[in-house]
Amino acid sequence: GAGVSQTPSNKVTEKGKYVELRCDPISGHTALYWYRQSLGQGPEFLIYFQGTGAADDSGLPNDRFFAVRPEGSVSTLKIQRTERGDSAVYLCASSVSGGGGTDTQYFGPGTRLTVL
Amino acid sequence: QKEVEQNSGPLSVPEGAIASLNCTYSDRVSQSFFWYRQYSGKSPELIMSIYSNGDKEDGRFTAQLNKASQYVSLLIRDSQPSDSATYLCAASGYSTLTFGKGTMLLVSP
Repeated sequence: GAGVSQTPSNKVTEKGKYVELRCDPISGHTALYWYRQSLGQGPEFLIYFQGTGAADDSGLPNDRFFAVRPEGSVSTLKIQRTERGDSAVYLCASSVSGGGGTDTQYFGPGTRLTVL
Repeated sequence: QKEVEQNSGPLSVPEGAIASLNCTYSDRVSQSFFWYRQYSGKSPELIMSIYSNGDKEDGRFTAQLNKASQYVSLLIRDSQPSDSATYLCAASGYSTLTFGKGTMLLVSP
C-alpha cells in the first residue's frame, strides 16, 4: 500500500517568507507526527496529532511554527517569517494509534526546506 | 530533558564481520526503544524495536536492552556493504520519539 507522502520534496524560500509543508499519512493511521532533522543530527520532535487535535506540541520551537490536521488525515506544517535557521529536512511520520509508545512510526520522504 | 546518546562514528567494519552499535538514554520513563536505518538523503526506516530487557533477534539483527544500565545496542551479523548507513537509536515514553544523533556504519567489501 501507499506510504506516507510529503510535498513538496524541496522548498527554497527567502528569509521572512511564509511556507506550508504538507503530509499525507498512511490511510487509517490516526496518529501523525512532525519532526525536523538538521544535517548531522537525529530527527527532532515538533508536534504530534491524535486525530484532528494536537496531543503534544511541546517540540514547536516558537510561535512562528503552527500545524493543523483539520479532518484527521492530511496535515500542514506552517512556518511564518522564515529564518535561515529553519533550514532543515522536515519529516512527517504516521502510526496506527499513537498511544502506548510501542506503535511503529512510518516516515515519509521529507521536505528539504532551504531559507536563503 | 530526555536525551539519547550515540557515538557518531564512523564505525568501519569489513564485510562479513559483526557490527556493534550502542546507545544510552537518560530518561527512566522511556519504555520502548527503536533502531532506525537511514541511508544518505533518505528517510528513517525501522529495523528493530525492543521493549523488554534482554535480546531480540530478527534475521541478521539483534537488539539488546538493559533498562538498569539505560543501554540499548544493535548487533548486525554478517555485515554487508548494503548495511552502510546511519543507524538512529530512538526512545519513546508514551508516543513521541527522542532520537540520538545516529552512528554512521561503513562496511567495506
